Amino acid sequence: TQLLEQSPQFLSIQEGENLTVYCNSSSVFSSLQWYRQEPGEGPVLLVTVVTGGEVKKLKRLTFQFGDARKDSSLHITAAQPGDTGLYLCAGFRGSTLGRLYFGRGTQLTVWP
Amino acid sequence: EAGVTQFPSHSVIEKGQTVTLRCDPISGHDNLYWYRRVMGKEIKFLLHFVKESKQDESGMPNNRFLAERTGGTYSTLKVQPAELEDSGVYFCASSQTRDRVSYEQYFGPGTRLTVT
Repeated sequence: TQLLEQSPQFLSIQEGENLTVYCNSSSVFSSLQWYRQEPGEGPVLLVTVVTGGEVKKLKRLTFQFGDARKDSSLHITAAQPGDTGLYLCAGFRGSTLGRLYFGRGTQLTVWP
Repeated sequence: EAGVTQFPSHSVIEKGQTVTLRCDPISGHDNLYWYRRVMGKEIKFLLHFVKESKQDESGMPNNRFLAERTGGTYSTLKVQPAELEDSGVYFCASSQTRDRVSYEQYFGPGTRLTVT
């Protein structure tokens, strides 16, 4: 059973456009994380959100944790070709020393 | 500082053969995790070591998989005998613990295993 549902699975946009990727679950998570993965490499952590309703910004990326801590979103403003990659959401259900549960990912392609 | 390293990067074996994957975590990281991504599915947890002890092995698919972390440093994951459904990318991650909290797991580049 997949705990985290990510949408869309694929996203292909032009440089300069805005986009939002969603990560949803029926389960509560103690924290959610967003990763970016490049071909041939492992996932690299972008951000961790811990508190329900929390919003974090990382340059043109905005991350939000839902009030009920069951969902999260990643918004990219004015996308650039360098943003191309696989974006993964993942979460801890209990202790942050334990396992991560991952979504299937969103493959983003930004065309110049 | 060196990141998490995994060896080999690719392995192609026949059904029924044995394969051993190796992971070297970041120096000083007590926590070591194994994950696997099967094509078309999400990355799934396999097991978690704290130093040399298995903290959680509930994600291991069956007894054909054996993970070890002798001395609490590097870890090996052996698949014996390999089946077709074992094909996928195996990721290793490590993290350190401070005040019983660890948010960031650092991932290695993965080992792509193909069983034919």
